[in-house]
Amino acid sequence: GAVVSQHPSRVICKSGTSVKIECRSLDFQATTMFWYRQFPKQSLMLMATSNEGSKATYEQGVEKDKFLINHASLTLSTLTVTSAHPEDSSFYICSAGDDYTVEAFFGQGTRLTVV
Amino acid sequence: AQSVTQPDIHITVSEGASLELRCNYSYGATPYLFWYVQSPGQGLQLLLKYFSGDTLVQGIKGFEAEFKRSQSSFNLRKPSVHWSDAAEYFCAVGAENAGGTSYGKLTFGQGTILTVHP
Repeated sequence: GAVVSQHPSRVICKSGTSVKIECRSLDFQATTMFWYRQFPKQSLMLMATSNEGSKATYEQGVEKDKFLINHASLTLSTLTVTSAHPEDSSFYICSAGDDYTVEAFFGQGTRLTVV
Repeated sequence: AQSVTQPDIHITVSEGASLELRCNYSYGATPYLFWYVQSPGQGLQLLLKYFSGDTLVQGIKGFEAEFKRSQSSFNLRKPSVHWSDAAEYFCAVGAENAGGTSYGKLTFGQGTILTVHP
């Protein structure tokens, strides 16, 4: 199956700083990428959908100015958590799909801890 | 909008026993259905998926699931559970875009934690 790489796998940052998470499709062109968030002991919730070359579509309740998503190429999307606070501590996971496959493929996830 | 319900938050079974994890979905069109497994602190691993065709789907690690449109269900089964199956299991439904294909925008159920006793 297709491979999606997410980096970093773990990150600890200080409150008020920004953190960038990368999601790369290694062997296919990802026209669409999805970003999910999973709080401890909860399910995964879709944050936003990004299409290459256009602005991301955010789900209701997700602050687009806080969670900046860039999908500048067909193999890379980034999620930047700006001015991170402890309540942003969570597991963030991306998935990527192309125009031909019905399913999307998940990265390994990033555990963000804001101290 | 689509939704997924996993009625059982936590299930405990003995090693070697059979397993069934329930999943009910709500979706207006033909659903794309998935089962994922997540070990603590890890990402998601796809167990199996249903898009069309045979309603009994075989997956990895000896899992299978049956799509029942009349019951809006996609229950996951395994005839004999191994201790290594202990994990959290998520059922998900994929959205269908205007072109009739899913680009993987998933709605997840709440998850079912599986504990396996020796």
